Amino acid sequence: DVKVTQSSRYLVKRTGEKVFLECVQDMDHENMFWYRQDPGLGLRLIYFSYDVKMKEKGDIPEGYSVSREKKERFSLILESASTNQTSMYLCASNWLRSNTEAFFGQGTRLTVV
Amino acid sequence: AQSVTQPDIHITVSEGASLELRCNYSYGATPYLFWYVQSPGQGLQLLLKYFSGDTLVQGIKGFEAEFKRSQSSFNLRKPSVHWSDAAEYFCAVGPPDSGGYQKVTFGIGTKLQVIP
Repeated sequence: DVKVTQSSRYLVKRTGEKVFLECVQDMDHENMFWYRQDPGLGLRLIYFSYDVKMKEKGDIPEGYSVSREKKERFSLILESASTNQTSMYLCASNWLRSNTEAFFGQGTRLTVV
Repeated sequence: AQSVTQPDIHITVSEGASLELRCNYSYGATPYLFWYVQSPGQGLQLLLKYFSGDTLVQGIKGFEAEFKRSQSSFNLRKPSVHWSDAAEYFCAVGPPDSGGYQKVTFGIGTKLQVIP
C-alpha cells in the first residue's frame, strides 16, 4: 500500500514561531503536494513539487515556503506563524504527470496561539 | 475556470437508508471527476473516479456515482448506509489532460451523519 506519513497529527505553536510540517512518502512518487483544509473552503493547494529542489506555488502560497531536499520528503514551512494559519494541513503525492489520483497523508492539525 | 459545487454542507441519514450526495461542476469539456472520503482524523481516500466511458462508475465500499453531462453533475450514491460511512465527502474536478494533479479543484465537502 502507498503510504504518505505526516510527522505530527497535532501541533500547537505560538505566534511568530517558525514551524515545520514534515511529509514522507514511500512510493517513489515524483509529485508531492501541500494542501490546507478549512471548513466551508474545502482543500486549497499551497505548494507542490515535481522533483527534488523544484517547487511551484499553488493557490494560496502567501506566508508559506517549502523544501524538498530528498525525493521522499516534502516540508512545509511557516516562517512566522500567525493565528490565521490555524488549520488542517494535508500532504499528498502521486506520479509525474498523473492527474488521475493522489494519495493523502492523515493530516496535521495546527493551532497557532 | 473550473469549479465544483457541493450544495449540501451537512446531511443526516438513518442507517440502512439510501444516500445521494450531490456534486455539480463547471468546466468547458468533460473533466476528470473524483469522489474522496475523509473519516474523522484521517486523510482523504479515493472512493471512485470518472474519466470517460460508462457514465455509471463503481467505487469502493459499495459507492457508485453517475456522470450526467447534461446536468453537469456527478452525484454519489449508496443503496444502504452503514454507521461507518459517517465521514466527510469531497467531490473534485480536474482537467482531462496531462497537466498534473495540481490543477484538481476540490469542493467544500459534505459531512454525513448516520443515525441508528
